[in-house]
Amino acid sequence: DIQMTQSPSSLSASVGDRVTITCRASQGISMYLSWYQKKPGKAPKLIIHGASSLQSGIPSRFSGSGYDTEFSLTINSLQVEDFATYYCQQGYGTPLTFGGGTKVEI
Amino acid sequence: QVHLQESGPRLVKPSETLSLICTVSGDSIIDGAFFWDWIRQPPGKGLEWIGRIHHSGTTYYNASLRSRVTISLDTPQNQFSLRLISVTATDTGVYFCARRSQNSGWFDPWGQGTLVTVSS
Repeated sequence: DIQMTQSPSSLSASVGDRVTITCRASQGISMYLSWYQKKPGKAPKLIIHGASSLQSGIPSRFSGSGYDTEFSLTINSLQVEDFATYYCQQGYGTPLTFGGGTKVEI
Repeated sequence: QVHLQESGPRLVKPSETLSLICTVSGDSIIDGAFFWDWIRQPPGKGLEWIGRIHHSGTTYYNASLRSRVTISLDTPQNQFSLRLISVTATDTGVYFCARRSQNSGWFDPWGQGTLVTVSS
C-alpha cells in the first residue's frame, strides 16, 4: 500500500496567516494527489485535484503543488471558514489511501 | 448538482451485518466516467477506503476488508449499497459514500456520512 504522511498533524494560525501543509507519498504517485477540507459533521470537500488544479468554486487563496512523492497545500490569507482538518489522498494505486490529516485551528 | 446521501441502521450488533445504502441524485450511477465508492472513518482516526463499484458491476475492495465486504448497484433506484459481515467494535465509525473520477482518482462529491456503532 502507498503510505501518505502529512505534516504537521495540527497547527495554530490566525486569520490572515499563510499556512502550508505537506504530504509525502511512500512511492511515486505522479500528480494523482488530491486535497480535501473536512469540518465536523460535514462531508469532506474536494479543494485540489491533480496536485495543483483548483476545484471549481474553491477560493483562489488555496493552492497546491508538488509531484511524485512531495506535495503541499498552501492557504494564503487564512479566513475564519478555513479552520478545519485537511487530508491528502493518492489516486495512483489501490488501495486508495489518505494522509492522517492536519487540523488547522486558531 | 450531484448529491449523495447515506442511509441505514446506526446500531449493529457484533457478529452481525452492517448494511448501508447510498442514494445518488443529480447524476446517474450508470455514468461511465465515475466509480462509486465507500470510505469510512473510525472515531478519532483517519480515512480508510473500503471499495468501489462501476456501473458495469465490477468491484474492487481494500484487501484489508475483502473477505467481509460487498458493494452492489441498484440502477433503477440510482443507488449503491455496502454490506459488511461479521462486524466487530473496530468497524464502528462514520461511513461515507462518494463519487470518484476514473481518470484522476479524486472523490467529489461525498455524502455527509453516517455514524454506525457496533455494540451489543
